[in-house]
Amino acid sequence: DAMVIQNPRYQVTQFGKPVTLSCSQTLNHNVMYWYQQKSSQAPKLLFHYYDKDFNNEADTPDNFQSRRPNTSFCFLDIRSPGLGDAAMYLCATSRDRAQETQYFGPGTRLLVL
Amino acid sequence: AQSVSQHNHHVILSEAASLELGCNYSYGGTVNLFWYVQYPGQHLQLLLKYFSGDPLVKGIKGFEAEFIKSKFSFNLRKPSVQWSDTAEYFCAVTLDTGRRALTFGSGTRLQVQP
Repeated sequence: DAMVIQNPRYQVTQFGKPVTLSCSQTLNHNVMYWYQQKSSQAPKLLFHYYDKDFNNEADTPDNFQSRRPNTSFCFLDIRSPGLGDAAMYLCATSRDRAQETQYFGPGTRLLVL
Repeated sequence: AQSVSQHNHHVILSEAASLELGCNYSYGGTVNLFWYVQYPGQHLQLLLKYFSGDPLVKGIKGFEAEFIKSKFSFNLRKPSVQWSDTAEYFCAVTLDTGRRALTFGSGTRLQVQP
């Protein structure tokens, strides 16, 4: 039973063409996260939502934005993808405390042509 | 800002060998420590975690880790690895106050040869 679902699993876009990645969860968790993972590197946090409160990382480029219309769904918008944005994008969820386990989705692999 | 160091980037072992993967963090306050595993083609999943109590924690699939506060370490161990343990292993921390997001180490790729 999938708990964190990401669509699509693979996304190909053109340089500069906006793209949206989606994440949904069945866990009813308060917190949702977006991580970027480039090849052979650790996942790097882009931003997270605590309920409706948006928390952006200081070094996340303005090109990356996010929306959380309700508890279950969260979207990652890349306004003008560059070649350097090709990566695996991971969505994760957790309850509200820092000790809580984060549950990851399978990721969306983004290719920019 | 906190950081996490994993010293072994690529480890190759034969089946039944013992495993120890190093993890050190830099943060003076209270931390919560995690080991996540990513099997080939699968999503990240939790192996084990520590946030209080007994510093020796046991996780799934026979893994354990020991939190040594004086050394800022949280090393992962398994007495006898199997081919199915081939995966990427990530150490990660969260801070007990404020920041809930995981800060990951760079990962250790474990290859177990049959």
